[in-house]
Amino acid sequence: QQQVKQSPQSLIVQKGGISIINCAYENTAFDYFPWYQQFPGKGPALLIAIRPDVSEKKEGRFTISFNKSAKQFSLHIMDSQPGDSATYFCAASITSGTYKYIFGTGTRLKVLA
Amino acid sequence: SAVISQKPSRDICQRGTSLTIQCQVDSQVTMMFWYRQQPGQSLTLIATANQGSEATYESGFVIDKFPISRPNLTFSTLTVSNMSPEDSSIYLCSVHRVMSTDTQYFGPGTRLTVL
Repeated sequence: QQQVKQSPQSLIVQKGGISIINCAYENTAFDYFPWYQQFPGKGPALLIAIRPDVSEKKEGRFTISFNKSAKQFSLHIMDSQPGDSATYFCAASITSGTYKYIFGTGTRLKVLA
Repeated sequence: SAVISQKPSRDICQRGTSLTIQCQVDSQVTMMFWYRQQPGQSLTLIATANQGSEATYESGFVIDKFPISRPNLTFSTLTVSNMSPEDSSIYLCSVHRVMSTDTQYFGPGTRLTVL
């Protein structure tokens, strides 16, 4: 019940295309869903986050879509650029408790020039 | 956000030795977390370190192997004890700040190689 399932494991997209990464969870107590971007040799950096009271959140080229009934959320990267090539992790947290994150398994994105 | 530094950034150690990793934050935070990230893998939480109390360890991690100190609200250390090659990983600290968003901010990581 504490797992967060992430897919795909890897993704190759042409420059200018849309990258879509999906995550699914089981524990309905989760109430905070961040996405992190990690470049090789660096720590993860927060990209965008959403709470279950909204169905979509957009920041620049990055959009989270959230489907509470299906217990799924996804990251969309519009107009993907080679600089977006990185590993992306979704996570889920229960903010009223220990604030621990449960991370997805990660998606390695490569954007071709 | 928070500025987090870790020392050392990388190290190569011999089997059976111990390494202490330091995590320094530029402002006071209530909760600090230590993670392990094995090559090409996701992040696994080792323990939660709160100032003034014992660290809380996740299943599969024990204090004898990964002792943690949290002497104040801006600093923590993680020791990897009696190392074996299986301990080769990236070790990351993260922080969660009261009255902030529910976001964790991560340090740059310590890349550990055990020979």
